[in-house]
Amino acid sequence: DAKTTQPTSMDCAEGRAANLPCNHSTISGNEYVYWYRQIHSQGPQYIIHGLKNNETNEMASLIITEDRKSSTLILPHATLRDTAVYYCIVRVAGGTSYGKLTFGQGTILTVHP
Amino acid sequence: EPEVTQTPSHQVTQMGQEVILRCVPISNHLYFYWYRQILGQKVEFLVSFYNNEISEKSEIFDDQFSVERPDGSNFTLKIRSTKLEDSAMYFCASLGGLGYGYTFGSGTRLTVV
Repeated sequence: DAKTTQPTSMDCAEGRAANLPCNHSTISGNEYVYWYRQIHSQGPQYIIHGLKNNETNEMASLIITEDRKSSTLILPHATLRDTAVYYCIVRVAGGTSYGKLTFGQGTILTVHP
Repeated sequence: EPEVTQTPSHQVTQMGQEVILRCVPISNHLYFYWYRQILGQKVEFLVSFYNNEISEKSEIFDDQFSVERPDGSNFTLKIRSTKLEDSAMYFCASLGGLGYGYTFGSGTRLTVV
């Protein structure tokens, strides 16, 4: 699975959009970008994933650049409960490949009142 | 929303004792995983399980560890002779298939004394 690079930490004001970047310059054509978050030692929580098109769900939006070498997770109206560690993970999906997720250090997002 | 359930939430055991951590994955999922997280460190993959056998395991998953799906609903992780360094949060996860995210349980905090 391709390696990802994320900033160590970010701050965001409550009610504002939080934009979390991820660099995955070695991503290959069959690899998806997944985002998870972990709130204070709870189990990681799935947020969103995508291959090349932008994706949106009730939690967030995922913007993937045209060359697929980077992506941004957008939390449109951050709340205090969104304070967490956010992980960007690149891996193959589909076929017989349902193997492990490799977690990095992630980005610590702190939402301030 | 379907959940992955883990019991107990916290277990304290003496060094050298055997422990069994229990998980009930989402009922129609086919792929099952154990991860662990030592306090302050990354989430680490231990083992994946599919079709009643281990499909992948990490270097951490040595002969002291074993997994089982004894009755078609529970998924267990056994540590035969616990060491102090086994103290960690242990997360179970399950996956339904292509296009879905992994669902993690809330974890078991294992403390070896």
